Amino acid sequence: AQSVTQPDIHITVSEGASLELRCNYSYGATPYLFWYVQSPGQGLQLLLKYFSGDTLVQGIKGFEAEFKRSQSSFNLRKPSVHWSDAAEYFCAVGPITGNQFYFGTGTSLTVIP
Amino acid sequence: DTGVSQDPRHKITKRGQNVTFRCDPISEHNRLYWYRQTLGQGPEFLTYFQNEAQLEKSRLLSDRFSAERPKGSFSTLEIQRTEQGDSAMYLCASSFSSGANVLTFGAGSRLTVL
Repeated sequence: AQSVTQPDIHITVSEGASLELRCNYSYGATPYLFWYVQSPGQGLQLLLKYFSGDTLVQGIKGFEAEFKRSQSSFNLRKPSVHWSDAAEYFCAVGPITGNQFYFGTGTSLTVIP
Repeated sequence: DTGVSQDPRHKITKRGQNVTFRCDPISEHNRLYWYRQTLGQGPEFLTYFQNEAQLEKSRLLSDRFSAERPKGSFSTLEIQRTEQGDSAMYLCASSFSSGANVLTFGAGSRLTVL
């Protein structure tokens, strides 16, 4: 069965520190991969996506992610976190069967001064 | 284009009442999706439309839930005889149908069933 795993429920980092959020997926082929960010009470905003080609993709707000086929991973990184990055981050895969996109359970990021 | 719009943003209702949510997608997008998100969880797929045709429904979509997209533009999601377990954020998203899909989400409609 297709699934997305975000092993870290909550992460706390200091402002200015680097960040890595983990995402692993289970799928029979290479799916399309996404990272979304959600601020409290808001919808999801696309940070970046991977369809094919270069396995290191750049997104908005200084985020990047690296697709590693051998590890079925698509980890999100940022070299220096800002207080405004505090939010919920979701990894997603799709489309798989039909047109469903599958989301992980999210990682909540807290940024401390 | 103002993006994906959802209305209302918040709805508080009593158990047993019916509620309806509306979604206006990006005008150029012919696919429209409904997702449900409960606290501490990621969005869960409910259903999607291509133009006016509802092409897929999740098992999560019980008989009390119905979605329509009558003219291939806006969509409505109705929940009949609401239950407390229906309390959630209902998210709408839209996308193109050709090429690799990227979902653009609305801000969501939060439902609280008392």
